[in-house]
Amino acid sequence: GDSVTQMEGPVTLSEEAFLTINCTYTATGYPSLFWYVQYPGEGLQLLLKATKADDKGSNKGFEATYRKETTSFHLEKGSVQVSDSAVYFCALSERRDDKIIFGKGTRLHILP
Amino acid sequence: GAVVSQHPSWVICKSGTSVKIECRSLDFQATTMFWYRQFPKQSLMLMATSNEGSKATYEQGVEKDKFLINHASLTLSTLTVTSAHPEDSSFYICSASLPPIAKNIQYFGAGTRLSVL
Repeated sequence: GDSVTQMEGPVTLSEEAFLTINCTYTATGYPSLFWYVQYPGEGLQLLLKATKADDKGSNKGFEATYRKETTSFHLEKGSVQVSDSAVYFCALSERRDDKIIFGKGTRLHILP
Repeated sequence: GAVVSQHPSWVICKSGTSVKIECRSLDFQATTMFWYRQFPKQSLMLMATSNEGSKATYEQGVEKDKFLINHASLTLSTLTVTSAHPEDSSFYICSASLPPIAKNIQYFGAGTRLSVL
């Protein structure tokens, strides 16, 4: 079945460092891909998405490109801030239904 | 944006009692709501999909008599953990979607941490 694998955390970086969180997926069809973020004490929020190969999703300085050839959707940010500290979930959804399959989440700590 | 409210945020109960968790869409009508369970350091696992006015669709391995889901209105779905036991202790999260406008986009509640003593 479909699945999402993302790098284990926690990831600890200094402020203004470059961030990459790896995510790869397995799917039978052509899924939409997502990154969700969960700030402390809050619900998951959609950070960005891409619906087809080579699409780039971007939001709040974060980017991820849908790579069909490598089945990947890595999250990147050029200069992280303390306020980016959160748990990040990579996810996919097949077009045939509304179900979302999540990775295990990666906790990110940004030090001032 | 669309807001989903989940209540309570934390509940402690004795083994054998039942606990009800509410999920409300505050500023939109949600025809479909989802219930997830999350174990520490694990992913969100979909438990069931709830459609307003009809029976919930449970994922394989989820006991429907144990986890009762009711979606009586377009803004409210409830999950009742019946005869809770310590192994039911977990983090439960609900979400709502806005099809057909935003298919596959879900809006999440902040979650409910259940501790069964």
